[in-house]
Amino acid sequence: AQSVSQHNHHVILSEAASLELGCNYSYGGTVNLFWYVQYPGQHLQLLLKYFSGDPLVKGIKGFEAEFIKSKFSFNLRKPSVQWSDTAEYFCALRESNTGKLIFGQGTTLQVKP
Amino acid sequence: NAGVTQTPKFQVLKTGQSMTLQCAQDMNHNSMYWYRQDPGMGLRLIYYSASEGTTDKGEVPNGYNVSRLNKREFSLRLESAAPSQTSVYFCASSDWGASEAFFGQGTRLTVV
Repeated sequence: AQSVSQHNHHVILSEAASLELGCNYSYGGTVNLFWYVQYPGQHLQLLLKYFSGDPLVKGIKGFEAEFIKSKFSFNLRKPSVQWSDTAEYFCALRESNTGKLIFGQGTTLQVKP
Repeated sequence: NAGVTQTPKFQVLKTGQSMTLQCAQDMNHNSMYWYRQDPGMGLRLIYYSASEGTTDKGEVPNGYNVSRLNKREFSLRLESAAPSQTSVYFCASSDWGASEAFFGQGTRLTVV
């Protein structure tokens, strides 16, 4: 069955540290991949998405992600995190044949000032 | 532009009671979703509607029913609430493909 797996459940970083959050998926068809962010007490908002073309995708707030088809991965990166990046991050996959949007378990990022 | 509107925002139910969570979107999206969010488990898809008149089970459909009343509205019903259904419920809508999904503010449901 299709699935999305995020291996880092809880990450703690100091401000200015670099960030990489892992995301792997299991799906045999064409994928659309997304990263969403959920700030405390809020709903999910889109950070970035991949659907085709350049595998390096840039999003809002300095985030980027790289789609590596051979590794079934879509890792999220940011060169220098800020305290305001403290949030929960979700990787998601949209199945091309059904349109269902499936999420990973989420990664809680805590940035210490 | 309201986006995705969910009601109610908070609800406490007794075991065995029923209730319907309402969701409406004003973006003319074809697809709508219901998720539940539990600590450490991310968002799990309960039901999905690809278009008006169609619904499909997600990962955790047991104990829930849905109605896609029209293109705008997608309701989630708990027929006999159980403590295991204590969760935060999110409704979302989108178009297909690379279209971003937009989320409601969530409903915090407690079943006692």
